[in-house]
Amino acid sequence: DQQVKQNSPSLSVQEGRISILNCDYTNSMFDYFLWYKKYPAEGPTFLISISSIKDKNEDGRFTVFLNKSAKHLSLHIVPSQPGDSAVYFCAALSPGNTPLVFGKGTRLSVIA
Amino acid sequence: DAMVIQNPRYQVTQFGKPVTLSCSQTLNHNVMYWYQQKSSQAPKLLFHYYDKDFNNEADTPDNFQSRRPNTSFCFLDIRSPGLGDAAMYLCATSRVEGWHSNQPQHFGDGTRLSIL
Repeated sequence: DQQVKQNSPSLSVQEGRISILNCDYTNSMFDYFLWYKKYPAEGPTFLISISSIKDKNEDGRFTVFLNKSAKHLSLHIVPSQPGDSAVYFCAALSPGNTPLVFGKGTRLSVIA
Repeated sequence: DAMVIQNPRYQVTQFGKPVTLSCSQTLNHNVMYWYQQKSSQAPKLLFHYYDKDFNNEADTPDNFQSRRPNTSFCFLDIRSPGLGDAAMYLCATSRVEGWHSNQPQHFGDGTRLSIL
C-alpha cells in the first residue's frame, strides 16, 4: 500500500512555462515533506522541503505547497528550463527515527 | 566535492556469486541507508544504520546483509544474487538528532548491479 503517491509518471512542459508536479499521501503522521530531483545515472539530489506547520516554501524558481486537509503537496517550477528535465521524487517523513517514504517519481521533460 | 561516494558505479556479477557494494561519506552523518531502486519504482529502503545500530526493514530478504565498520563506510553484501536483484542500489546519509530530525538525506550516485 503506497503511502506516497505520484500519479503522473510523466509531464511535458514548454520552456518558460510553469511545471506543476503533484504528490498525495495517506499517512496523517507525516509531518515533513521533501522533493528530490534525479538525473539519469546520478543519485537523487535534495531540492526543497516543507514542514507540516507551513503551507508554502519558496526557494528561487521552486515553490512547494502543502494542503494538509487534502493530504496533497505540489512542486511548482517557474519558469521551467530545459535543465529541469529529470525525475522528481516526492518523499515524506513521520516523527521519530523513521525512514523516508518515497513516491514512484514523475519524469519532467522541459521542451525548448 | 562528492560527499557520498559509491563504488563501483556499475557492477556485474554472476548468478549466485556474492557481491559487495561500498559507500563512503565525508559528511560525518550518523545515519546511513541502503536503498534498492528498480526501473520506474520508488527507492525501497533495505536497511539503515543509526550510528552502530542496525535496523533491517521487515521485507528485506536475508540474502542482503550490511556492515558499517566505522562512521564513514557502509557496505551492502548480497550473498547469492538472483536475477531479481538486478537494480540500482543507492546509499544515503543523514544527521538525525533526538526524536525527529528535519534533515534531508544525501544520496550517492548509486551502483547499478547487473546479474548474468
